[in-house]
Amino acid sequence: GAVVSQHPSRVICKSGTSVKIECRSLDFQATTMFWYRQFPKQSLMLMATSNEGSKATYEQGVEKDKFLINHASLTLSTLTVTSAHPEDSSFYICSARKTGLENQPQHFGDGTRLSIL
Amino acid sequence: AQTVTQSQPEMSVQEAETVTLSCTYDTSESNYYLFWYKQPPSRQMILVIRQEAYKQQNATENRFSVNFQKAAKSFSLKISDSQLGDTAMYFCAFRAAFQGGSEKLVFGKGTKLTVNP
Repeated sequence: GAVVSQHPSRVICKSGTSVKIECRSLDFQATTMFWYRQFPKQSLMLMATSNEGSKATYEQGVEKDKFLINHASLTLSTLTVTSAHPEDSSFYICSARKTGLENQPQHFGDGTRLSIL
Repeated sequence: AQTVTQSQPEMSVQEAETVTLSCTYDTSESNYYLFWYKQPPSRQMILVIRQEAYKQQNATENRFSVNFQKAAKSFSLKISDSQLGDTAMYFCAFRAAFQGGSEKLVFGKGTKLTVNP
């Protein structure tokens, strides 16, 4: 149980392209999902908290218009990197926690490696 | 704000031996959760073990155990009978209990563990 699916696993695209990454909780409902960014050999940095049915909460320094988050259902959150540039190249990871179970840990997707040429 | 410190950027251990990874944290919260996550080269984040701060008993999961010292704000991970498959980055993480606190996971910078044959 507690499987989180993230798609796609890898994206290579040209500068200026918008890229959408999906995060799905396969066997549980998740009111809240999280989006992280990880640079090579570094730790995970929280970008934003995705809330079902409401606006995402962004961390300081993260551009809301650059990283669009939509959490339209209890099992799906999407992150869209708009007009991506080479500096947006990174590893993006989502996580989700079962709704209503406060002591449950976050479960992570397998991540998306984004490369902007 | 909470901080998590992992003072060992890299460690190595011989197969079948025991290794301990250090983690300290700083918080003013009274109730919280602590986690160790493993990130192998595949980049997937895998939960290794978790500890609830109100529990005095140290958590144990097979070959993995923690030494939780609440007063010292220390949360070390012991891996017994190390296996080659334990080679990975290990991240210590903190989360405040939901009521009155943030669900955000705060990660340390990680410790790269290499198990040698």
